[in-house]
Amino acid sequence: KNQVEQSPQSLIILEGKNCTLQCNYTVSPFSNLRWYKQDTGRGPVSLTIMTFSENTKSNGRYTATLDADTKQSSLHITASQLSDSASYICVVSLSYNTDKLIFGTGTRLQVFP
Amino acid sequence: GAVVSQHPSWVICKSGTSVKIECRSLDFQATTMFWYRQFPKQSLMLMATSNEGSKATYEQGVEKDKFLINHASLTLSTLTVTSAHPEDSSFYICSVPGLAGAREQFFGPGTRLTVL
Repeated sequence: KNQVEQSPQSLIILEGKNCTLQCNYTVSPFSNLRWYKQDTGRGPVSLTIMTFSENTKSNGRYTATLDADTKQSSLHITASQLSDSASYICVVSLSYNTDKLIFGTGTRLQVFP
Repeated sequence: GAVVSQHPSWVICKSGTSVKIECRSLDFQATTMFWYRQFPKQSLMLMATSNEGSKATYEQGVEKDKFLINHASLTLSTLTVTSAHPEDSSFYICSVPGLAGAREQFFGPGTRLTVL
């Protein structure tokens, strides 16, 4: 069964600290893995997209890694800001239909001053 | 990337009424749009694929007669929740795929539906 699991479910950190979110997937055949940021009451916004041949991709203070062999990905946030408080969703797409997205349940991050 | 808007951003209605939600691709022509539903603290679930000029494709378990989708133009898709009930209360999000090969999908801001 195609599944995407994320951990932790929720995370609280202090402003300025770093954090790492985890994503494990059992999706096959794999096309690409995406990380989205979803603010409360808003639609998801793309942070990174990686194919199986890409090990890492950065977008400002966000750095995603992908290990296609172990089917794991991580999202590292550097020097967190209050505005980073949101849900972070790991999404995997299938190679035979890249519009078919398998969503993780997300990690709820709260950054406190 | 594509800019996607939804209207309304939130709506409250009485049980039994119908509610229409619009999804517009503001700067990109979209032959396909996607409709998702998200319950509190849960992930997005694909409801249906809206196809311009033809019938929508519904995911298993989604009632096509209850969730009417119309994709009359390359920039507008509408989702109508007919005879809404409290269990239909949810966050409805549409998305537009990027250019072929771009592997991107652009999401709208969502519509919060509350059925009393």
